[in-house]
Amino acid sequence: ELKVEQNPLFLSMQEEKNYTIYCNYSTTSDRLYWYRQDPGKSLESLFVLLSNGAVKQEGRLMASLDTKARLSTLHITAAVHDLSATYFCAVRPNAMDSNYQLIWGAGTKLIIKP
Amino acid sequence: DTEVTQTPKHLVMGMTNKKSLKCEQHMGHRAMYWYKQKAKKPPELMFVYSYEKLSINESVPSRFSPECPNSSLLNLHLHALQPEDSALYLCASSHRTGGYYEQYFGPGTRLTVT
Repeated sequence: ELKVEQNPLFLSMQEEKNYTIYCNYSTTSDRLYWYRQDPGKSLESLFVLLSNGAVKQEGRLMASLDTKARLSTLHITAAVHDLSATYFCAVRPNAMDSNYQLIWGAGTKLIIKP
Repeated sequence: DTEVTQTPKHLVMGMTNKKSLKCEQHMGHRAMYWYKQKAKKPPELMFVYSYEKLSINESVPSRFSPECPNSSLLNLHLHALQPEDSALYLCASSHRTGGYYEQYFGPGTRLTVT
């Protein structure tokens, strides 16, 4: 069964702290996506990771991909309140015929307290 | 134009009504998607159109009927819905960039079935 597991599912943290969200997946993939969703809003694309060892950074967020471990991480540095949102990872399995279907993680709800 | 638009933003309908959701993009993307998202869950893929042809139908009940009149427009026709169909309906579009498809999401239609 194709599974994408995120942890933690809920994270409450203080501003200025660092933390990491983990995304494990059960099948080979070299396309992993991170999205952000604010409450009641749509999904915003954050990062696309395409190869083993890929690392991308945008502001206080950094994402990395280890295809051998089937693991991606989203690291938050010196969190600020504006980063409060739900973060989803999604994987396009290599074995899937379609380029359009993604397997989604359950999402990590991140609350950053001032 | 770098966005996906959806109308209406909110829709309340009875179980005997017929209504339609509309999605539009002018980015030249040739794949368009409908997703359903329940609260605190990841989005669930419903339909994908590729080059205006239905490419994926994820066993969606026939009370949901998609239509792609042209490469910029995507409709979702609703008829005889059930209260459990209440959700956020998201449209997305994508194009191929360097071997991957990054999906861009619209703001969604919040549907309530009474």
